[in-house]
Amino acid sequence: LAKTTQPISMDSYEGQEVNITCSHNNIATNDYITWYQQFPSQGPRFIIQGYKTKVTNEVASLFIPADRKSSTLSLPRVSLSDTAVYYCLVAADTGRRALTFGSGTRLQVQP
Amino acid sequence: GAVVSQHPSRVICKSGTSVKIECRSLDFQATTMFWYRQFPKQSLMLMATSNEGSKATYEQGVEKDKFLINHASLTLSTLTVTSAHPEDSSFYICSARVGDRSTGELFFGEGSRLTVL
Repeated sequence: LAKTTQPISMDSYEGQEVNITCSHNNIATNDYITWYQQFPSQGPRFIIQGYKTKVTNEVASLFIPADRKSSTLSLPRVSLSDTAVYYCLVAADTGRRALTFGSGTRLQVQP
Repeated sequence: GAVVSQHPSRVICKSGTSVKIECRSLDFQATTMFWYRQFPKQSLMLMATSNEGSKATYEQGVEKDKFLINHASLTLSTLTVTSAHPEDSSFYICSARVGDRSTGELFFGEGSRLTVL
């Protein structure tokens, strides 16, 4: 599985856009990029998944450059409730296999 | 969306006793479920893959005789921590996938916090 590197922590304020970048230099052709959110004492929650270019859903956008060696999760206008740990995962066959979690990024949103 | 439920959400037990944690897929059938363990301020660590009707596959370093996994039906997997000790205190999380898709999301349970006194 491709190894991922994310910032350990980030701080932001309410209403700002937050971009979390993940590096995955050895991503394979079949790998998808998936982001999860985890609140304290809860299981991770799926945010978004993509393969290339840009993907957008109701909560976030995912930007993937052409070489796919990195990806950026964009959270528009964050609120206090977005304070959580965000995990970037890279794997093929994500629906069949377990996911290996990296260290994640701890996002703290201030009022 | 698909729901994975764990029970109990919290359990406190004495050292030496065994504790069973249940993981249920509420509105779908899960032939495969995954068990993770998470220590405070750390990431999730995969413990084992639970396969319906067959033996679980354990990750390196995880004692299969200590962490018993049973996946007797398509909607239920159980993790039993046998002869629990304080170092087994952790947050245990299960996950399951929906259907037979090769892409998509895994759904995670709410987690079960085990405290061994």
